[in-house]
Amino acid sequence: DTEVTQTPKHLVMGMTNKKSLKCEQHMGHRAMYWYKQKAKKPPELMFVYSYEKLSINESVPSRFSPECPNSSLLNLHLHALQPEDSALYLCASSQVGRGEVDTQYFGPGTRLTVL
Amino acid sequence: AQSVTQLGSHVSVSEGALVLLRCNYSSSVPPYLFWYVQYPNQGLQLLLKYTTGATLVKGINGFEAEFKKSETSFHLTKPSAHMSDAAEYFCAVRWTSYDKVIFGPGTSLSVIP
Repeated sequence: DTEVTQTPKHLVMGMTNKKSLKCEQHMGHRAMYWYKQKAKKPPELMFVYSYEKLSINESVPSRFSPECPNSSLLNLHLHALQPEDSALYLCASSQVGRGEVDTQYFGPGTRLTVL
Repeated sequence: AQSVTQLGSHVSVSEGALVLLRCNYSSSVPPYLFWYVQYPNQGLQLLLKYTTGATLVKGINGFEAEFKKSETSFHLTKPSAHMSDAAEYFCAVRWTSYDKVIFGPGTSLSVIP
């Protein structure tokens, strides 16, 4: 099973709202990622968690707050977003240091619209 | 800086024709190489990957890619295009397991009936 699930599929929020995106995997992967993807562009890395610890933050604004409650779950908390934050948010997961390259498996994404 | 280029932001082929999507990376050190496909309003799906060993890699949906170190290339091919192949294709590289994945800009494939 190489499935990463994400909820919700679509989200519309105002600039004063607080919402959360959720990602889940049951592949035993210990690295999880958040990407942002604008239309017709490649994914841009936002955050990486390795063994439930934040290992990479790509200078993402503080209005995006990641959380990794356990090895299977990854959340992205959203607050006071701007219209330019509207995008497809992708979650991915991979093994860590198993002696081979760690292939990232992606979820279907959450389509976020900020009004 | 290390980079990935994909020649042709948009490629159109006729149904049944050969598909060739180009990918080149900028390093003399061979990386780990991936091709992902993204259908409209969906996430990225792994098509195939090269790590070590055989340089011709077979993937899902009839796609294959060949790693050519001398040309720093990893072009994706499929002998006969199908309408369902219409999608965005991303080449990606990673130099070690601890590096970030670097994505190419993507190639949009259209299949003409």
